[in-house]
Amino acid sequence: AQSVSQHNHHVILSEAASLELGCNYSYGGTVNLFWYVQYPGQHLQLLLKYFSGDPLVKGIKGFEAEFIKSKFSFNLRKPSVQWSDTAEYFCAVTSSGTYKYIFGTGTRLKVLA
Amino acid sequence: SAVISQKPSRDICQRGTSLTIQCQVDSQVTMMFWYRQQPGQSLTLIATANQGSEATYESGFVIDKFPISRPNLTFSTLTVSNMSPEDSSIYLCSVTGGVTYEQYFGPGTRLTVT
Repeated sequence: AQSVSQHNHHVILSEAASLELGCNYSYGGTVNLFWYVQYPGQHLQLLLKYFSGDPLVKGIKGFEAEFIKSKFSFNLRKPSVQWSDTAEYFCAVTSSGTYKYIFGTGTRLKVLA
Repeated sequence: SAVISQKPSRDICQRGTSLTIQCQVDSQVTMMFWYRQQPGQSLTLIATANQGSEATYESGFVIDKFPISRPNLTFSTLTVSNMSPEDSSIYLCSVTGGVTYEQYFGPGTRLTVT
């Protein structure tokens, strides 16, 4: 069965620190990959997505993610975090051609001002 | 992107009762999804609801427990039946972005069963 792993459950950073959140999935076929963010008191929002093409994708608010097929990974990065990035981040995967999402367990990021 | 609203936003219910959650979308969409997010856990897909057909349930979820209606292209309901404390969760609906595979989520309904 497909699964998605997010190894960092809680991350605490100071402002201006660099961020990298890990996401690994288990599926041998073609996949679509997503990162969602949930700010405190708000609903899930799409941060970025990968379907095909350039494995380095850029999303909103300065986030980017790199798809490394050989490692089954889709790590999220941001060079300099802000206090407003405090949120929970979810990685999600679908098999190509389907809409069924498999979510990771989420990573709670706290950025200290 | 679609704008999705859910009612109620939260509720506290007694064991053995049922609660119906409504999901309204501001545009017509073919596919709607219902998820559950249990405390401290990730989102789990309950079922896919297409207008004009029976909902498709994921493993571990059954229609008797989570009946779903999809009367038109902008609305769906999920009922949580015969509730127990284990049903305490956030329930979310989502819709697809059309030709792309991203989903847009509603604000969720926080259910507490006592």
